[in-house]
Amino acid sequence: DAGVTQSPTHLIKTRGQQVTLRCSPISGHKSVSWYQQVLGQGPQFIFQYYEKEERGRGNFPDRFSARQFPNYSSELNVNALLLGDSALYLCASSLEQASYNEQFFGPGTRLTVL
Amino acid sequence: QQQVKQSPQSLIVQKGGISIINCAYENTAFDYFPWYQQFPGKGPALLIAIRPDVSEKKEGRFTISFNKSAKQFSLHIMDSQPGDSATYFCAASIDSFGNEKLTFGTGTRLTIIP
Repeated sequence: DAGVTQSPTHLIKTRGQQVTLRCSPISGHKSVSWYQQVLGQGPQFIFQYYEKEERGRGNFPDRFSARQFPNYSSELNVNALLLGDSALYLCASSLEQASYNEQFFGPGTRLTVL
Repeated sequence: QQQVKQSPQSLIVQKGGISIINCAYENTAFDYFPWYQQFPGKGPALLIAIRPDVSEKKEGRFTISFNKSAKQFSLHIMDSQPGDSATYFCAASIDSFGNEKLTFGTGTRLTIIP
């Protein structure tokens, strides 16, 4: 079975631009979470979606938004990009909504903001 | 605000030795403590996890020791192998919130030398 897939793999944007990152969860998984991993740091929680509804939001500005589609795939949007948004963006999926359910991470999208 | 502190930042262990990584948390509401392993270019993968109702959990060469009163937990890797060379993250979450937000430590880069 395919794992969590993310696209694109790498992305280069300039300050002020907007970006959309995509995630396809493991088949059958209904919960998707997004994390930002700055180089040398641990992942930071951005959003969690379950059954197309937002169930958790981390300490990120309103420039960050996300949604989940009926097929449980998800998009993360970041507007008005700043240099500090440069990071690896990770998507994780799990079967149900509960912290003790194993979250399977994708390989991430490396975003560079120039 | 860093709620999970991880040490050391980097660790070099000889093949066959014991690797020990420590984490401390502040929020006593945390009730799920997983460890993740991350290889370069990959997303984190769940290694082992523990709930606070037990003081130790062992899976193969990997053991979590948990000290609830000290608010500390650690990962022990016995008979460390070159293939264990990776970055390790401890994490914590609050299941009662009904979401899957994981709070990660800053990571430990482990290198196993022959």
